[in-house]
Amino acid sequence: QVQLVESGGGVVQPGRSLRLSCAASGFTFRTYGMHWVRQAPAGGLEWMTFISSDGSYKYYADSVEGRFTISRDNSKNELFLQINSLRPEDTALYFCVRDRAGVSFDYWGQGTLVTVSS
Amino acid sequence: SYVLTQPPSVSVAPGKTASVTCVENYIGSRRVHWYQQKPGQAPVLVIYSNTDRPSGIPERFSGSNYGNTATLTISRVEAGDEADYYCQVWDSSRDLGVFGGGTKLTVL
Repeated sequence: QVQLVESGGGVVQPGRSLRLSCAASGFTFRTYGMHWVRQAPAGGLEWMTFISSDGSYKYYADSVEGRFTISRDNSKNELFLQINSLRPEDTALYFCVRDRAGVSFDYWGQGTLVTVSS
Repeated sequence: SYVLTQPPSVSVAPGKTASVTCVENYIGSRRVHWYQQKPGQAPVLVIYSNTDRPSGIPERFSGSNYGNTATLTISRVEAGDEADYYCQVWDSSRDLGVFGGGTKLTVL
């Protein structure tokens, strides 16, 4: 079955950087686009970024353009999110999500929590 | 970018029908997707492309999309349907995903 397992979250000071990872299994990772979606505490869902199956296309939400970088390693079935210049408002649960037909999200990981605090 | 407007909360008695709306000026021309999120869990896709159900989603869940309103309808509501529901579209003109603010469904 499809499994997406995020890691790399934690408590980090404002201005620092963090790299999130997502280990994928149960499907042919290299043939699927992937997304990161985040959810602030007691908040709604917010789409962050997308990467195409071969990594050639990357899209970002306006709010994180320039600070977030999505990447993938198809040889290891892994997805990454590099977050720089962290801000308190980046505090959220970050979900790794599989793309469905370029328009929706069909499988979600359980998320990794990022807390930005001094 | 699109702004998808959902009511913050909807309440329904068990066995009745619940409707969750998602409003945007031209939403009838877009493909709308719906997610269910129970407390402490990841979201689950329950309707995609306005009306289609993924494998494993009960037939009680259905969707429609006309004019400026997309609707998720849950028939014969059960206690286990209590959750937050989010609508979503893909903005293909700007290549980004958009979620509604979410609706908390309470089963009375």
